[in-house]
Amino acid sequence: RKEVEQDPGPFNVPEGATVAFNCTYSNSASQSFFWYRQDCRKEPKLLMSVYSSGNEDGRFTAQLNRASQYISLLIRDSKLSDSATYLCVVSHTGFQKLVFGTGTRLLVSP
Amino acid sequence: NAGVTQTPKFRVLKTGQSMTLLCAQDMNHEYMYWYRQDPGMGLRLIHYSVGEGTTAKGEVPDGYNVSRLKKQNFLLGLESAAPSQTSVYFCASMAGGNQPQHFGDGTRLSIL
Repeated sequence: RKEVEQDPGPFNVPEGATVAFNCTYSNSASQSFFWYRQDCRKEPKLLMSVYSSGNEDGRFTAQLNRASQYISLLIRDSKLSDSATYLCVVSHTGFQKLVFGTGTRLLVSP
Repeated sequence: NAGVTQTPKFRVLKTGQSMTLLCAQDMNHEYMYWYRQDPGMGLRLIHYSVGEGTTAKGEVPDGYNVSRLKKQNFLLGLESAAPSQTSVYFCASMAGGNQPQHFGDGTRLSIL
């Protein structure tokens, strides 16, 4: 079983739609959580950190459920420019290493 | 505003050749990482460093060596390249625990 699991998608949604991605992690000692965005053939870029109380950044909302070892990302009012692969990332032991999910691909169409 | 810089950006090698990939960061970060990314596999950690002069093995270290002689540089070496090492290689750096990693824009390596 992979340490971080994501639905690979693709999720095909029209502009303006709301879409949610889920991620589960297996290491209960994981301490830090992030969502990264990766465009085709580009480097991953930090989208947002995920805090225990949940957090929002504009159209993006991240939630963490430690009991279920589950992280989510909600995107409201999808834009064409949101088309990308979204990577769920958790910290590994000692906070020195990050473990990346394989990503969920989002395609936003006009 | 350089952040993390990787050189070269592209390279084609023949089986058995050697080469070194360079990663340089100007953010004074302690931690540096080398990943490879293959289709359907996600990012896999090759080696990492928690400070100048230190290195450690990641998930897929075989066939690679690294060095961190200066804090700002992290070198990844392939001593005898194999076709299985065809991949996109990303370097990343991190300030400290609980912090996100910042990535370079990748090196696309093909081994024939």
